[in-house]
Amino acid sequence: EAGVAQSPRYKIIEKRQSVAFWCNPISGHATLYWYQQILGQGPKLLIQFQNNGVVDDSQLPKDRFSAERLKGVDSTLKIQPAKLEDSAVYLCASSPGQRRVQETQYFGPGTRLLVL
Amino acid sequence: DQQVKQNSPSLSVQEGRISILNCDYTNSMFDYFLWYKKYPAEGPTFLISISSIKDKNEDGRFTVFLNKSAKHLSLHIVPSQPGDSAVYFCAASAMYTGNQFYFGTGTSLTVIP
Repeated sequence: EAGVAQSPRYKIIEKRQSVAFWCNPISGHATLYWYQQILGQGPKLLIQFQNNGVVDDSQLPKDRFSAERLKGVDSTLKIQPAKLEDSAVYLCASSPGQRRVQETQYFGPGTRLLVL
Repeated sequence: DQQVKQNSPSLSVQEGRISILNCDYTNSMFDYFLWYKKYPAEGPTFLISISSIKDKNEDGRFTVFLNKSAKHLSLHIVPSQPGDSAVYFCAASAMYTGNQFYFGTGTSLTVIP
């Protein structure tokens, strides 16, 4: 079974530029998550989708971050404009979404973003 | 507000000995806990989980212990192997928040051959 795919793996941009990340979850997984992991910290949830609907985006900085999952499968996360403090690894995860209670989340390799 | 804490940033253990990684949490509503392992340049990989109805869960060399009264969990690896060298994150969630995980800051384990 293929795992969670993410691209690009690395991205370097200058501040105020825009950037987009792509994620393809494990086939059949209804729930998709985007996390931000700053160096030395644990992953922090940015947004959670159930199929193509948003379940939780309370920690997403909506003035500059946006995410979509239009067809309920793959997803994109965009930052516009980027700030220096956005330098981090952006992780995508998915889970089956078959239960209302807790499920194991499976992570992709992440996209490492450096904002100069 | 860090609801899940791993107070030891790093740990070194001799091969064959026991590794004990610790995690504390503050939210008494947390009822599901997981450990993830992360190698450099890879995403976290699920290792083991435990529900709050249990106080121990074992999977091969890995055992997780949960002490609800102390709001503390630990991961034991016996025997430790060099391939276990990685960063270990604990995570917690509460049923009322759905499947939102709160992660600790990680402990970097080095197993010395």
